[in-house]
Amino acid sequence: QLVESGGGLVQPGGSLRLSCAASGFTFSNYNMNWVRQVPGKGLEWVSYISTSSSTIYYADSVRGRFTISRDNAKNSLYLQMTSLRAEDTAVYYCARERNSGGLGWGQGTLVTVSS
Amino acid sequence: DIQMTQSPSSLSASVGDRVTITCRASQGIRNDLVWYQQKPGKVPKRLIYAASNLQSGVPSRFSGSGSGTEFTLTISSLQPEDFATYYCLQYNNYPLTFGGGTKVEIK
Repeated sequence: QLVESGGGLVQPGGSLRLSCAASGFTFSNYNMNWVRQVPGKGLEWVSYISTSSSTIYYADSVRGRFTISRDNAKNSLYLQMTSLRAEDTAVYYCARERNSGGLGWGQGTLVTVSS
Repeated sequence: DIQMTQSPSSLSASVGDRVTITCRASQGIRNDLVWYQQKPGKVPKRLIYAASNLQSGVPSRFSGSGSGTEFTLTISSLQPEDFATYYCLQYNNYPLTFGGGTKVEIK
């Protein structure tokens, strides 16, 4: 199970930290991702982190503003978001790489960037 | 980056119709593709993995085919609960990329 938290309303230029608590599987064995979805729109991959945090990728749209991290001892994934823009408004999903392909999803947390 | 072009973006169909949705990859991705179904306010649900493998618990009217750059999701006989938006996702390489989605509506 993946449970996101930390979403909410933030002003443009502000910061927010999302968390994802993992349970029911060995978190440290899985690569993790963040994916977002603007309400009523399509899905957009945001960021990836490998099991040991040695490999990290970002979408061009967030590189330099967002930072992904994980704490395997706490079974947690994080997304630090800074310099937020209106176009970052979306539901943010924590997602685990599945051994058979694709992603397994959390329930999502809504981030709204607005003044 | 690998681009995934999904078509059509929407379609109207009747219960019992056969529906086909296509995703084309900008470069070969072997069979590293999944299909998701998403209903409003819900998390995407995996239907097909590795291009053609049916997820456990998913009705057999759903099927996937293709390899390389062209992939198809077929619903053999559309049911009322199938009205939703469908997405493909390539996981051959990062960045992961999704198709733009196909909204299946009631005719």
